[in-house]
Amino acid sequence: DAKTTQPTSMDCAEGRAANLPCNHSTISGNEYVYWYRQIHSQGPQYIIHGLKNNETNEMASLIITEDRKSSTLILPHATLRDTAVYYCIVSAPTDSWGKLQFGAGTQVVVTP
Amino acid sequence: DVKVTQSSRYLVKRTGEKVFLECVQDMDHENMFWYRQDPGLGLRLIYFSYDVKMKEKGDIPEGYSVSREKKERFSLILESASTNQTSMYLCASSLHTDRGNAFFGQGTRLTVV
Repeated sequence: DAKTTQPTSMDCAEGRAANLPCNHSTISGNEYVYWYRQIHSQGPQYIIHGLKNNETNEMASLIITEDRKSSTLILPHATLRDTAVYYCIVSAPTDSWGKLQFGAGTQVVVTP
Repeated sequence: DVKVTQSSRYLVKRTGEKVFLECVQDMDHENMFWYRQDPGLGLRLIYFSYDVKMKEKGDIPEGYSVSREKKERFSLILESASTNQTSMYLCASSLHTDRGNAFFGQGTRLTVV
């Protein structure tokens, strides 16, 4: 059973911020939220993760709601190279040895 | 630059052949994983290993086996390849201390004819 729900697809204009939502209403207290992306014909790539605080790195920002039932990945200035499938995953690494359950993800298309 | 390397990008094998898919990581990671990816089914975990000579079944282990004799190398074996094993195979690795942060290889697209 999927632990996360994401939109199937979304478009974004180049240079604009892309906000990718994810619902994880059944998340457990020890589960983190991870985001990965997969560019066509490549393996998935880790982007960012968080437990309850907002996080930022050189690739993106992650905003987690206070109740932790949803989150948003923000790509601040989308480029054409950001076109990919984005996966939101919840996982408790200490319980699962790092196994990741990938859902269908969101196909993001960045247009000029 | 950290790297997970899969031995072949594309592979074509005949039904009934024994197939070896090799994966090597240079990051001294304890955990290694094999996934397969199929249209409409997403990525599914076949096997994983959390230490040398240790292995655990994932969600779809039937028809596969694995070998981990050295820390850096994790092999996926198709004992007798079948057409329904035609797929993209992805290897990944991670640290015990940062398990959800996995590094993936480029994938091997296997076609069984």
